[in-house]
Amino acid sequence: GAGVSQSPSNKVTEKGKDVELRCDPISGHTALYWYRQSLGQGLEFLIYFQGNSAPDKSGLPSDRFSAERTGGSVSTLTIQRTQQEDSAVYLCASSLAGLAGGNQETQYFGPGTRLLVL
Amino acid sequence: AQKVTQAQTEISVVEKEDVTLDCVYETRDTTYYLFWYKQPPSGELVFLIRRNSFDEQNEISGRYSWNFQKSTSSFNFTITASQVVDSAVYFCALRAVQGGGNKLTFGTGTQLKVEL
Repeated sequence: GAGVSQSPSNKVTEKGKDVELRCDPISGHTALYWYRQSLGQGLEFLIYFQGNSAPDKSGLPSDRFSAERTGGSVSTLTIQRTQQEDSAVYLCASSLAGLAGGNQETQYFGPGTRLLVL
Repeated sequence: AQKVTQAQTEISVVEKEDVTLDCVYETRDTTYYLFWYKQPPSGELVFLIRRNSFDEQNEISGRYSWNFQKSTSSFNFTITASQVVDSAVYFCALRAVQGGGNKLTFGTGTQLKVEL
């Protein structure tokens, strides 16, 4: 079946502009995660959605970052007033379940969106 | 807090050599999961293996094998008879059930270069 898909693949924007990144999880996966990969910080957790529960936003670096997940499927990560330090690869992952344990919580990653803020 | 250390930043080997990638983790949780992911030049993180903290059996899958030792908090990964296609960045990751929520804590990765 299809894996996690993300769009756009690449995004170049100017400092101060808002950007939206999209993630389509694997069909049937109830848990969705956003991570950021940058040269200086490595792979960092941003936010986690599980079904209809309140998301775990503990990894969001500032209030310029927000994410939503509509209908329990597609998710959008929004960065407002982008800064140059936001330049990174944004990775989305999904798992069959969140806290079920076992194979159900293995996270499968998409190809990422490469964001460059000029 | 959780921490994963991959001390090897870059390893270069010649094809057909065996290579071991080291991973050391820190957590106070008694229940946790360990993972290895591969990131080829295309950028996508590919899941390789998941291990539970209560299962210390080593595992072999084709040319890949994993050595999990709780006594030393290590989860090392060995590629036997390496091939050029194994060239990638390999990440070790930890999910601590109680203290880490549902996030994965990643190491900084090991860049493996397999040359002819």
